[in-house]
Amino acid sequence: GAGVSQTPSNKVTEKGKYVELRCDPISGHTALYWYRQSLGQGPEFLIYFQGTGAADDSGLPNDRFFAVRPEGSVSTLKIQRTERGDSAVYLCASSPEGLAGGRVTQYFGPGTRLTVL
Amino acid sequence: AQKVTQAQTEISVVEKEDVTLDCVYETRDTTYYLFWYKQPPSGELVFLIRRNSFDEQNEISGRYSWNFQKSTSSFNFTITASQVVDSAVYFCALLTQGGSEKLVFGKGTKLTVNP
Repeated sequence: GAGVSQTPSNKVTEKGKYVELRCDPISGHTALYWYRQSLGQGPEFLIYFQGTGAADDSGLPNDRFFAVRPEGSVSTLKIQRTERGDSAVYLCASSPEGLAGGRVTQYFGPGTRLTVL
Repeated sequence: AQKVTQAQTEISVVEKEDVTLDCVYETRDTTYYLFWYKQPPSGELVFLIRRNSFDEQNEISGRYSWNFQKSTSSFNFTITASQVVDSAVYFCALLTQGGSEKLVFGKGTKLTVNP
């Protein structure tokens, strides 16, 4: 079946602009995660959704970052007033249920490479 | 706080050699979960294994094996008879029962297998 998809695959923007990154999880997966991966680093947790609600947004770096999942499937990560330091690969993952306590794992998308000039 | 250390930044081997990737984790939780992921040059993270803290049995899957030792807080990954297709960045990750769904990754080890 189809995996996690992310669009766009690449996004180049100018400092100060607003961007939206989209994630389509695997159908039926209730858990959705966003991560940010800087060059040479491991993925860094940003936010976790269970259904429509953000169950844990403690990884969002500041209030310029926001994410929604209005119908419990597709999610959009929104970044306002982008800065050069926001340049990274943004990864989305989904899971049939939460990771903790279960035996499932996450399935990752290919990522969106964001470059802020 | 939860932390994962992958001390080996890069490893280079010749095909058919065995190679071990180290992973050391830190957590105060007694229930936790450990993961290994592979990130090939295409960029997409591929799940390899998940291990629960109460299951210390080592695991073998084909050429891959994992050695989980709670006494040293390590979860090392060995590839036997490495192949060029094994070239990738490998990440170890930790999830704690008390840490919500926040998966904490190490910085990764870049493995290059030369023909």
